[in-house]
Amino acid sequence: AQTVTQSQPEMSVQEAETVTLSCTYDTSESDYYLFWYKQPPSRQMILVIRQEAYKQQNATENRFSVNFQKAAKSFSLKISDSQLGDAAMYFCAQSGMDSNYQLIWGAGTKLIIKP
Amino acid sequence: GAGVSQTPSNKVTEKGKYVELRCDPISGHTALYWYRQSLGQGPEFLIYFQGTGAADDSGLPNDRFFAVRPEGSVSTLKIQRTERGDSAVYLCASSLQPGVNEQFFGPGTRLTVL
Repeated sequence: AQTVTQSQPEMSVQEAETVTLSCTYDTSESDYYLFWYKQPPSRQMILVIRQEAYKQQNATENRFSVNFQKAAKSFSLKISDSQLGDAAMYFCAQSGMDSNYQLIWGAGTKLIIKP
Repeated sequence: GAGVSQTPSNKVTEKGKYVELRCDPISGHTALYWYRQSLGQGPEFLIYFQGTGAADDSGLPNDRFFAVRPEGSVSTLKIQRTERGDSAVYLCASSLQPGVNEQFFGPGTRLTVL
């Protein structure tokens, strides 16, 4: 069975500092995708960053980057130069062909930005 | 029509009633997913449509839940004999094709069963 675990219910960071959110997963598939989604109070899930498992290079999107450790089944998100608008719930998710690419989600991490 | 839309935004109903939740995906997106998000938790998969057919309904919790997508576009999630435990945010997502393409989410419908 596929599982995604986020062990940090809440994280806080000073504005302009860097924060890392942790995620581990388990899957029997060899080809899969990993995602970080952001959910602000408006409820709308917004894709932050995506990683294809077959790519060794870590994905980056502006201030957001991941540390993908395939052997360890770890997929952490680093947010650099944190901004007040980054405050939200962050969810790690996984998908694969065997499960019709449905997203399997972690429990989420609430990110608080201190001004 | 930019994104995925869901109606209603909020729905309050009484235990035992029937409800319908609607999802309008992005035009041209063949894949449509429904998820349920209980308070303080991550979403859970309910059902996946590829075109008009339900390709995977393994996440539906019981036979009170049913979903349709008759013309391969709009989808309706139907819940019969609602129970208090059905209270959650119901999220809909669509993608151009399943797999590499991003799933775009609607704002969700918050269902409250009294």
